[in-house]
Amino acid sequence: QVQLVQSGAEVKKPGASVKVSCKASGYTFTSYGISWVRQAPGQGLEWMGWISAYNGNTNYAQKLQGRVTMTTDTSTSTAYMELRSLRSDDTAVYYCARRLDGMDVWGQGTTVTVSS
Amino acid sequence: QSALTQPPSVSGSPGQSVTISCTGTSSDVGSYNRVSWYQQPPGTAPKLMIYEVSNRPSGVPDRFSGSKSGNTASLTISGLQAEDEADYYCSLYTSSSTLVFGGGTKLTVL
Repeated sequence: QVQLVQSGAEVKKPGASVKVSCKASGYTFTSYGISWVRQAPGQGLEWMGWISAYNGNTNYAQKLQGRVTMTTDTSTSTAYMELRSLRSDDTAVYYCARRLDGMDVWGQGTTVTVSS
Repeated sequence: QSALTQPPSVSGSPGQSVTISCTGTSSDVGSYNRVSWYQQPPGTAPKLMIYEVSNRPSGVPDRFSGSKSGNTASLTISGLQAEDEADYYCSLYTSSSTLVFGGGTKLTVL
């Protein structure tokens, strides 16, 4: 079946970087883009950006420009999201999802905790 | 990009209908039919319920319907069931190929 499986929980110190993976299966990876969405504890959903799995084109939320990088590895059908210069307010559950407009398949979420 | 405005909470009894609104501006919701709705029960990932204002993905019950009037999109759930209790989010795909979410609405089934 179509699914996205994300990497496990991470604990990072302020100023560090984190890289979350999202492995796709059950469909042609390059036919769809991957969005990244995060949710801080008790808060709503925040769109972080999108990457085309076909050609690697990206579009990032203005708020995260300069700190986030999204990449894909088509040989393993895996998308990656790297966030740098972590702060305490980056503590959140990070989700990958297929597509940008009408995200129809979601990963299970990866908890990233930023704490000294 | 301005945020989309949703009511913080709505409630209804089993069997009733509830409507959740998502208000933008004439430049976003009012101009584009790229509104989606997501359901998120506690502790789980969001699930797509409606896309392009009123289209239901395969497997979503027809009790869920979407519409738009002017600058406001709406999600209506008819024949409310206990399992519908969740947070609901609208989103808009913008003309600059970005996405913006509403603040979310907590649905309580009484």
